[in-house]
Amino acid sequence: EDQVTQSPEALRLQEGESSSLNCSYTVSGLRGLFWYRQDPGKGPEFLFTLYSAGEEKEKERLKATLTKKESFLHITAPKPEDSATYLCAVQAGTASKLTFGTGTRLQVTL
Amino acid sequence: DVKVTQSSRYLVKRTGEKVFLECVQDMDHENMFWYRQDPGLGLRLIYFSYDVKMKEKGDIPEGYSVSREKKERFSLILESASTNQTSMYLCASRAHSHAEAFFGQGTRLTVV
Repeated sequence: EDQVTQSPEALRLQEGESSSLNCSYTVSGLRGLFWYRQDPGKGPEFLFTLYSAGEEKEKERLKATLTKKESFLHITAPKPEDSATYLCAVQAGTASKLTFGTGTRLQVTL
Repeated sequence: DVKVTQSSRYLVKRTGEKVFLECVQDMDHENMFWYRQDPGLGLRLIYFSYDVKMKEKGDIPEGYSVSREKKERFSLILESASTNQTSMYLCASRAHSHAEAFFGQGTRLTVV
């Protein structure tokens, strides 16, 4: 059974304080790893897809990396508007479905 | 931009009622999904569909059914709503199995 574990559950940062969120996974044949951002009361918003170990993607203050066992979402010099829950999901084998972790709730304060 | 639209943002239903949640996507995507999201449990897959009239059970299909009569529309049906089905329901669509999924805004269902 595919498993996705995200850590920490919650993270509080001051504006400008860089950090990383972790997503570790156990799957048979990773086809893709996806990062989403979710604001309270809204649906998840797509951020990145990573397909193979060593791959990196960047968008503004966010950078996602992938190894054979885990992915990191690095947040550089965060701002209060980066506050959200960040979700990680994997697709494995021939299945179309995505399996999600429980997310990391990020709060960035002034 | 891909748009996935869920028919209601908030719903309150009584125990035993039959409940319909509707989802429409405007990008001709093949795959559509229904998830529920609960605190501490994350998103769990209820059902998905990879083509019109085709459906597959997800991880928690009990108490639910689905319908996909047209490519753009995927409906989730709670045959007899129960209080443990109080949750946030999220619909998603994907162009194909390698593409990212796009989500609707969610329906917060409360069963009383």
